[in-house]
Amino acid sequence: EPEVTQTPSHQVTQMGQEVILRCVPISNHLYFYWYRQILGQKVEFLVSFYNNEISEKSEIFDDQFSVERPDGSNFTLKIRSTKLEDSAMYFCASSERTGGFYEQYFGPGTRLTVT
Amino acid sequence: AQSVTQLDSQVPVFEEAPVELRCNYSSSVSVYLFWYVQYPNQGLQLLLKYLSGSTLVKGINGFEAEFNKSQTSFHLRKPSVHISDTAEYFCAVGSNFGNEKLTFGTGTRLTIIP
Repeated sequence: EPEVTQTPSHQVTQMGQEVILRCVPISNHLYFYWYRQILGQKVEFLVSFYNNEISEKSEIFDDQFSVERPDGSNFTLKIRSTKLEDSAMYFCASSERTGGFYEQYFGPGTRLTVT
Repeated sequence: AQSVTQLDSQVPVFEEAPVELRCNYSSSVSVYLFWYVQYPNQGLQLLLKYLSGSTLVKGINGFEAEFNKSQTSFHLRKPSVHISDTAEYFCAVGSNFGNEKLTFGTGTRLTIIP
């Protein structure tokens, strides 16, 4: 069964450093998402991406964040200058289409630890 | 704006007993409702979903949920739980009113007591 994959599974970085989290969505999917889950808290929407542009972003997704689909398979989340509060589990998701709502398939997540 | 409330942060249940995990939502537009499960150190797996039609939906692992529009609820049930059901359960709501993001509740940790 096709699945969303994410690398790395765990990333440790120092405050102020740039990090790139990588995701490979399911191959025929067109919509891509990033969510995050701070330890012990709920999963929060960050951004959705379609047709090479951002569809929607949350208040969390400020200028420190960016997303990119650099090739036909990868979908990346970049945090330009990490802060301690960016420590969280980051989930990538993809869906086949929208308009009538289609299931979002989630990856296993990348745990980001900022020290 | 949408919101999801899961009032029970932790639910301990004896093995083979029934369980109900509660979820209430708030939305000004038509909604789609989901339950996701997160096993320890793993990602989110879809248990079941309500998009339209029958208000009783069945999912994987013997779970089911009932959509109640008048009570704005989507409670998750299982008649007999197993040790393997120990996990965090998240209720989520989505809509197709201009966006497709999911709004999650705070989660309910289900612990099965042998």
